Amino acid sequence: GIQVEQSPPDLILQEGANSTLRCNFSDSVNNLQWFHQNPWGQLINLFYIPSGTKQNGRLSATTVATERYSLLYISSSQTTDSGVYFCAVTDSWGKLQFGAGTQVVVTP
Amino acid sequence: NAGVTQTPKFQVLKTGQSMTLQCAQDMNHNSMYWYRQDPGMGLRLIYYSASEGTTDKGEVPNGYNVSRLNKREFSLRLESAAPSQTSVYFCASTNSPYNEQFFGPGTRLTVL
Repeated sequence: GIQVEQSPPDLILQEGANSTLRCNFSDSVNNLQWFHQNPWGQLINLFYIPSGTKQNGRLSATTVATERYSLLYISSSQTTDSGVYFCAVTDSWGKLQFGAGTQVVVTP
Repeated sequence: NAGVTQTPKFQVLKTGQSMTLQCAQDMNHNSMYWYRQDPGMGLRLIYYSASEGTTDKGEVPNGYNVSRLNKREFSLRLESAAPSQTSVYFCASTNSPYNEQFFGPGTRLTVL
């Protein structure tokens, strides 16, 4: 099946810092989503981004489907950004495959 | 518009007991999914239902059964719970398999 790799596995940021999270995938995909899992375990949809660039407040994402990667940018990080960020791709059979996630801790 | 709802939120079972996890969505979505999440890992697909009346196995189906009761509801049953099934279970839905999936709040299950 398709492989999804996220980097870095862990990230510690001081409040106000910027960061970039990366997601590489091993095959062509029909869909790519970014999620934030907050400390209470809730999965929050951030972006549905099979290709191109999208922005939502301090977050933005870019997917380059031809080169099989996506980037999530967090600017001016806040403590509420802490949690795990997951990238997930839909394979050719319509099944969503998740990466292992990036654990982000934002310190005051 | 509640989105995807799951019951119960927490459950503790003894080995060998059975239970059913309930999931419902009010977005008129065709496809529904059950995932499990183990510590430090991403979600893995257990079963899915591409449309009402159909169900298929995902990556980790052993020990589970599902029922697509109607377009809104998709249940997951553990017939004889085992400690290896201790996990957080998420239900999700989407209009079509290649579109954005939306997740419920999860059920935290412990099997002793």
